[in-house]
Amino acid sequence: GENVEQHPSTLSVQEGDSAVIKCTYSDSASNYFPWYKQELGKGPQLIIDIRSNVGEKKDQRIAVTLNKTAKHFSLHITETQPEDSAVYFCAASKGPNFGNEKLTFGTGTRLTIIP
Amino acid sequence: ETGVTQSPTHLIKTRGQQVTLRCSSQSGHNTVSWYQQALGQGPQFIFQYYREEENGRGNFPPRFSGLQFPNYSSELNVNALELDDSALYLCASSLPQGKYGYTFGSGTRLTVV
Repeated sequence: GENVEQHPSTLSVQEGDSAVIKCTYSDSASNYFPWYKQELGKGPQLIIDIRSNVGEKKDQRIAVTLNKTAKHFSLHITETQPEDSAVYFCAASKGPNFGNEKLTFGTGTRLTIIP
Repeated sequence: ETGVTQSPTHLIKTRGQQVTLRCSSQSGHNTVSWYQQALGQGPQFIFQYYREEENGRGNFPPRFSGLQFPNYSSELNVNALELDDSALYLCASSLPQGKYGYTFGSGTRLTVV
């Protein structure tokens, strides 16, 4: 089955600097790659996603890049703010093929923004 | 538009007991998935329901079972609880094929003692 590896497990950056989190996946059939932010006591919240027919997607300070050949994708957060502090998870799935939509998650990155 | 609601938020059970967790999906979402998140880990897929039928299952034993109701709400049942079942149980709803992504609830924290 699919295996998703995520690095680093912890990341501390100065407020205003950029943060980058990287994930690799094993199943070349995976074609949907979301990123989730999880704050203490809450469920994961979708912050951005990318499908395999796109190499890069940006939403304000957040961007995701995908390299299908190398089977890796990355989350980039620019101009970090204290409210960006949380645990971030990458995930992969074979969706949108009916019955194959399960998400396989990475192990998470605890991001701390230092004021 | 309401989000995904899970109940209860916290639960303590004794080993060997049975537990039922509940989930109300986001308005308009007819697909519900359940995930188990152990402390410090990423969520693990348990199973998914679409139109009241199980539609995909992860590597969990049969004592983990579920239901989806006509209003798309769902239940997760776990029999013969084990200590390792202690985790945060997350419900996620979506349109079919994960269109527009999955919306997660805040979870039920289950502690088995």
